[in-house]
Amino acid sequence: SQQGEEDPQALSIQEGENATMNCSYKTSINNLQWYRQNSGRGLVHLILIRSNEREKHSGRLRVTLDTSKKSSSLLITASRAADTASYFCATALYGGATNKLIFGTGTLLAVQP
Amino acid sequence: DVKVTQSSRYLVKRTGEKVFLECVQDMDHENMFWYRQDPGLGLRLIYFSYDVKMKEKGDIPEGYSVSREKKERFSLILESASTNQTSMYLCASSRGQSKYSPLHFGNGTRLTVT
Repeated sequence: SQQGEEDPQALSIQEGENATMNCSYKTSINNLQWYRQNSGRGLVHLILIRSNEREKHSGRLRVTLDTSKKSSSLLITASRAADTASYFCATALYGGATNKLIFGTGTLLAVQP
Repeated sequence: DVKVTQSSRYLVKRTGEKVFLECVQDMDHENMFWYRQDPGLGLRLIYFSYDVKMKEKGDIPEGYSVSREKKERFSLILESASTNQTSMYLCASSRGQSKYSPLHFGNGTRLTVT
């Protein structure tokens, strides 16, 4: 079963706008990570947020985590055409096997120039 | 930069064939993973390995096996390929025992079974 579910499944915006993607999960986590996948390529790690953190920034990326609601959001500010990709959240479960990540179904972001 | 190399970008095989997917990483990572990716289902973990000759089942191991004879190489084996194994296969690696180590992915192998 999927631990992470992203919302929306697809998002289309204009260059310069902000893009927000959400991720919900089901069980207690150690950390949550976001990855980007360009078409036909592998995934690239973007950012990690630990279960005791509420917000984290990296460049134009802002991630929030609400463990009481079991949800996270990824905000990309001032989007560019090059941000067009699929974005996945992945959860590392509390306890259990080391470094085993469970991925969600992804959000397809299209940034129109 | 970590490089994870998958030997083939595209493969076409016939039903019943034995298929080998190879993955090599160059950063001395302890952990290696095989995922398959299907539309609407995201990435699902097939098998993973924390050390040479060690393997553990992921969420969907049926119809697959793996081999890790050397630290840098992790092979996925389809013993008798079936059409429902047509998919994108992604290999990944990560360092050490920490849950905070990110995964580094290869570019994937798109397998078609006819």
